Amino acid sequence: DTAVSQTPKYLVTQMGNDKSIKCEQNLGHDTMYWYKQDSKKFLKIMFSYNNKELIINETVPNRFSPKSPDKAHLNLHINSLELGDSAVYFCASSQRDGRVVGYTFGSGTRLTVV
Amino acid sequence: GENVEQHPSTLSVQEGDSAVIKCTYSDSASNYFPWYKQELGKGPQLIIDIRSNVGEKKDQRIAVTLNKTAKHFSLHITETQPEDSAVYFCAASTGYQLIWGAGTKLIIKP
Repeated sequence: DTAVSQTPKYLVTQMGNDKSIKCEQNLGHDTMYWYKQDSKKFLKIMFSYNNKELIINETVPNRFSPKSPDKAHLNLHINSLELGDSAVYFCASSQRDGRVVGYTFGSGTRLTVV
Repeated sequence: GENVEQHPSTLSVQEGDSAVIKCTYSDSASNYFPWYKQELGKGPQLIIDIRSNVGEKKDQRIAVTLNKTAKHFSLHITETQPEDSAVYFCAASTGYQLIWGAGTKLIIKP
């Protein structure tokens, strides 16, 4: 059983389109995250949700909108895609019990905007 | 806020030799220090972690050391093998959020 699963694994789309990436975790964690990893491999946190509530909202364009229907799912919708959005997007989850516990990543979604 | 610096950005070692990657952190309240390994085409995976009440932790060929006074921690890999080739990330946490280093690309030369 995959602990943190993302779909799709690859996404190629044209500039200006709108796309979504889905993430699900079966670890029973209460916190989920979206990261962007650029070509230099730097991990940049974008958003975090705890029990469906937004708790981290870093400086990202408002074309990016996360949605958490329940604590096991966190989706990322991107409007009006730009060339600079091309990157690998990782979902992660952890348990917040006063400290970081069990921080686990998905396998990533490689987004290519052409 | 917390800042984590990781060095070197690229490390090339001969197979069988040891590799050491170092990280420094700025917030003395940080109390959790994990290391993640990212293989090509995969997400980062936790390989070892240490909490601030411990100075060293080992797991087979990998070990992590923590110097709280100097605010730095290091990953040590002994008897390196081809499968150790990957990008390694350190991180530090004071509570709920992980602050990441920039990553080290480890290359194992045959």
